[in-house]
Amino acid sequence: GDSVTQMEGPVTLSEEAFLTINCTYTATGYPSLFWYVQYPGEGLQLLLKATKADDKGSNKGFEATYRKETTSFHLEKGSVQVSDSAVYFCAPVPGNQFYFGTGTSLTVIP
Amino acid sequence: DAGVIQSPRHEVTEMGQEVTLRCKPISGHDYLFWYRQTMMRGLELLIYFNNNVPIDDSGMPEDRFSAKMPNASFSTLKIQPSEPRDSAVYFCASSFSAVNEKLFFGSGTQLSVL
Repeated sequence: GDSVTQMEGPVTLSEEAFLTINCTYTATGYPSLFWYVQYPGEGLQLLLKATKADDKGSNKGFEATYRKETTSFHLEKGSVQVSDSAVYFCAPVPGNQFYFGTGTSLTVIP
Repeated sequence: DAGVIQSPRHEVTEMGQEVTLRCKPISGHDYLFWYRQTMMRGLELLIYFNNNVPIDDSGMPEDRFSAKMPNASFSTLKIQPSEPRDSAVYFCASSFSAVNEKLFFGSGTQLSVL
């Protein structure tokens, strides 16, 4: 069935470091791809999305490019801040169901 | 819009008691999802509704769990009887469409079963 494989955490970075969180998917067809973020004590919220191959989603300095050839949608940010500390979820949308990975916990230290 | 509203925010109960979690989706959204989040299992989809009708409940762990959506603006998730292993954060989410549309999540209910 459709699934995602997301880089395991936790990830700890110093402020202003470069961030990459890997995400690969298996799905029938060509799903839309999403990254959600969950800040402490809150529900998930959409961070960015891409709906077709080679699309780049971006928001709050984060970027991810839909790579059909490698079935990947890696999340990147050039310079993380303490406020980016959260759990990040990669999620494809195969049809009518929303499946989430286990998430990757990121802690940014000053 | 107030967003997806869940209540209660926290619930502490004793093993064997009945627990009811409530959710009000965003007006106009016709999909509603219930998730459970634990450290060990991450975010699990329990059940989702379309136009108040349950579409897939394969994620519901066992018969002790039930969910209803009597109208477009209200849904409940009930656990009877509750067990300590049910302790988790339960999230409700809604969306306008389940295809290529984002989910809007509530703030969750932190359930502790003693």
